[in-house]
Order: sequence, then C-alpha cells, then structure tokens
Amino acid sequence: DVKVTQSSRYLVKRTGEKVFLECVQDMDHENMFWYRQDPGLGLRLIYFSYDVKMKEKGDIPEGYSVSREKKERFSLILESASTNQTSMYLCASTRGAGTHFGNGTRLTVT
Amino acid sequence: GQQLNQSPQSMFIQEGEDVSMNCTSSSIFNTWLWYKQDPGEGPVLLIALYKAGELTSNGRLTAQFGITRKDSFLNISASIPSDVGIYFCAGLSGNQFYFGTGTSLTVIP
Repeated sequence: DVKVTQSSRYLVKRTGEKVFLECVQDMDHENMFWYRQDPGLGLRLIYFSYDVKMKEKGDIPEGYSVSREKKERFSLILESASTNQTSMYLCASTRGAGTHFGNGTRLTVT
Repeated sequence: GQQLNQSPQSMFIQEGEDVSMNCTSSSIFNTWLWYKQDPGEGPVLLIALYKAGELTSNGRLTAQFGITRKDSFLNISASIPSDVGIYFCAGLSGNQFYFGTGTSLTVIP
C-alpha cells in the first residue's frame, strides 16, 4: 500500500518562528509537490521537485523554501512564519497521472 | 498558473439524488483527473481520463474528458451519505497538476 506521510497533522507556531514540514513517500517517485489549501481557493502549488536536490517554484513560493536531499523526503520550510501562512499544507508524490497525497498538516500561526 | 474553473462551488442534495459537476480550463490538457477529499484527509484519486471524448466509470462515478480537451465532467449516481466531501478536478500538463477550486458536496440523509 503506497504511502505519503506528513510528519504532523496539527501544528501551532508563533509569528517569526522557523517551521519545518516534513513529507516522506515510500513509492520511489521522482516527483514531489507541496500545496496549500485554503477555503474557496483550492490547492495552490508552492514548490515542486522532480529529482533529488532539484526544486522549482510553484505559483505562491514567497515566504517558503524547500529541501530535497533524499528522493523519498521533501521538506517545506517557512523561514519566518506569518499569520497569513495559517493554512492546510498538503504534500503529494506522483509518477505520471498517479497521484498520492499525504493527510495534510494544519498549521496555525499565532 | 493555469486556472481551472470548477462548478458548482457547493451542493446540498438529498440521499439518492444524482450529482453533476464540471471543470473548464482556458488551456488544453492531455490528462484530466478527479479527486475526492474526505474531511481531515488528503485528496484521493477517483478517476483518470487520458483521451478526448473518453467516458470512464468507477462504481457510481462517471467522468468524461471533453472533446475540446478544455473541460471535464463528473457525475455521481444515487448519492449516499459517504459521498460527502470535496471533489477536485485537475489537469495534467507535463509533470505538473493544475487543480480546480473544488466542489463541496453535502448529502442529506
């Protein structure tokens, strides 16, 4: 059974903190993505990666960075968390049209 | 990024009714996908469509890839309470997915 695992389901952080969201997949997929999901806005792409040490900006990369040191792990980093980054964050891993999402991390920045 | 317009935004229906939702794009896609997201979970792939005009079923779900390659439709027949959730369309271009804004479905027993 394929799996995309996000390390935390819920996080509460203070404004200005550095935040790490971790995502691990066990399917040996090359492609991994980070989205944020907000009511009425659907899924918006933050960053994606097609290979180890490779990263590309998505539609809303501002305030975020990523790290892909190993094929199975794709980390999203909020350098200095702000309240407008309160959201649901979804990691996805794909090969072709086959997409597998993690269960999401609901981040609240106070 | 490319915008996919998904409608309706939300639906409230009686159990047993059929449901239709659609997704349109200003761009052509070679693959259309439909996902369902249960509350508190990540989206799960329901149906993938690979060819213009293709009609594919998965149980009570039927999806069609529009012949213009700029739209897709999802129908759910005889809805049941566990159909509740958010349904997303997505178009695949190269390795990148573009998602619709979602249709929130509520089924009233």
